[in-house]
Amino acid sequence: RKEVEQDPGPFNVPEGATVAFNCTYSNSASQSFFWYRQDCRKEPKLLMSVYSSGNEDGRFTAQLNRASQYISLLIRDSKLSDSATYLCVGRSNDYKLSFGAGTTVTVRA
Amino acid sequence: NAGVTQTPKFQVLKTGQSMTLQCAQDMNHNSMYWYRQDPGMGLRLIYYSASEGTTDKGEVPNGYNVSRLNKREFSLRLESAAPSQTSVYFCASGFTQGSGNTIYFGEGSWLTVV
Repeated sequence: RKEVEQDPGPFNVPEGATVAFNCTYSNSASQSFFWYRQDCRKEPKLLMSVYSSGNEDGRFTAQLNRASQYISLLIRDSKLSDSATYLCVGRSNDYKLSFGAGTTVTVRA
Repeated sequence: NAGVTQTPKFQVLKTGQSMTLQCAQDMNHNSMYWYRQDPGMGLRLIYYSASEGTTDKGEVPNGYNVSRLNKREFSLRLESAAPSQTSVYFCASGFTQGSGNTIYFGEGSWLTVV
């Protein structure tokens, strides 16, 4: 079983919609979590860190639920430019990162 | 600011050939990583280097060797390429101090083994 599991999607949403998806992690020792964004044939880029209290960055909101061991990402007012694959990442004590396989989001006009 | 630079960007190899992927970072990061990414598999760690002079195996090290040449450079070598090593390879770097720190990727190297 992979340490980080994600629903691959695709999530196909119209512009302006809200889309949300989760990932689950199995390593309870994971201390830090992140969301990365990856465009087709490009490198993953850090979207945002995920804090225990939940955090927002513009239209993006991330939540961490340690009791149920999942992380969520919510995108409000979706733009065409939000179309990408979103990677969930967990970091353990020995600073190795575990990546999920990604959730694909497609925003249509 | 170049960040993480990988070369070559594209390479076609014949089975059994060897090659080295080069990676350099200019962010003074102490840790460096090599990942491979295959469809439906996500990013899998091949090797990492927590600091200059140290290297450790990741999830899928077989068929690869690495060298941490200095703080800036971390190379990945395929001694005898196999078709199963056809993949996209990403180098990354980051700071290890502080659990909140994460890593930054190069643009990737597309490798095809025929």
